[in-house]
Amino acid sequence: GAVVSQHPSWVICKSGTSVKIECRSLDFQATTMFWYRQFPKQSLMLMATSNEGSKATYEQGVEKDKFLINHASLTLSTLTVTSAHPEDSSFYICSARPVALMGQPQHFGDGTRLSIL
Amino acid sequence: DQQVKQNSPSLSVQEGRISILNCDYTNSMFDYFLWYKKYPAEGPTFLISISSIKDKNEDGRFTVFLNKSAKHLSLHIVPSQPGDSAVYFCAASEYGNKLVFGAGTILRVKS
Repeated sequence: GAVVSQHPSWVICKSGTSVKIECRSLDFQATTMFWYRQFPKQSLMLMATSNEGSKATYEQGVEKDKFLINHASLTLSTLTVTSAHPEDSSFYICSARPVALMGQPQHFGDGTRLSIL
Repeated sequence: DQQVKQNSPSLSVQEGRISILNCDYTNSMFDYFLWYKKYPAEGPTFLISISSIKDKNEDGRFTVFLNKSAKHLSLHIVPSQPGDSAVYFCAASEYGNKLVFGAGTILRVKS
């Protein structure tokens, strides 16, 4: 149980392109989903907290207009990297926590490797 | 300011022996701690957690110990198996909200 699906797993695109990444909770509902970014050999850094039906909460230093987050339903959140540039190349991972209880761990998708040429 | 620290970048252990991974934190408001295991190009997989009201939680071969006064937690894996080789992340949260991760420790279990 508690499966999180992330799509696509790998994207290669030209500079200036916008890229959308989907994060779905497959067997549970999640009012809150989280988006992380991981640089090589570094830890996961939280980018933003996505709340169903409301605006995302961004961490300090993360550009809201660059990384658009939409959480339209209890099972789907999307991250759109707008006008992507090579410095946006990274590994993006989403996570979701089942509704209901504190104490439930976040479950992670398998990540999306984004490469901007 | 790193609120969660894993000071050992890597650890090598013989199969069958105990693996001990350590984690220190600085924020006394953290009340929930987790360990995740991660393989390359995959998302982290939840292993085990502990809340601040406990000092030990056990699940099969995995045991997490929490020392609140020292702001230290550790993950014990006994016996270690080659399939345990991965990167292990310690994470902490305050009131069940956003997770703060350590930098990870690469565990290699040699057969």
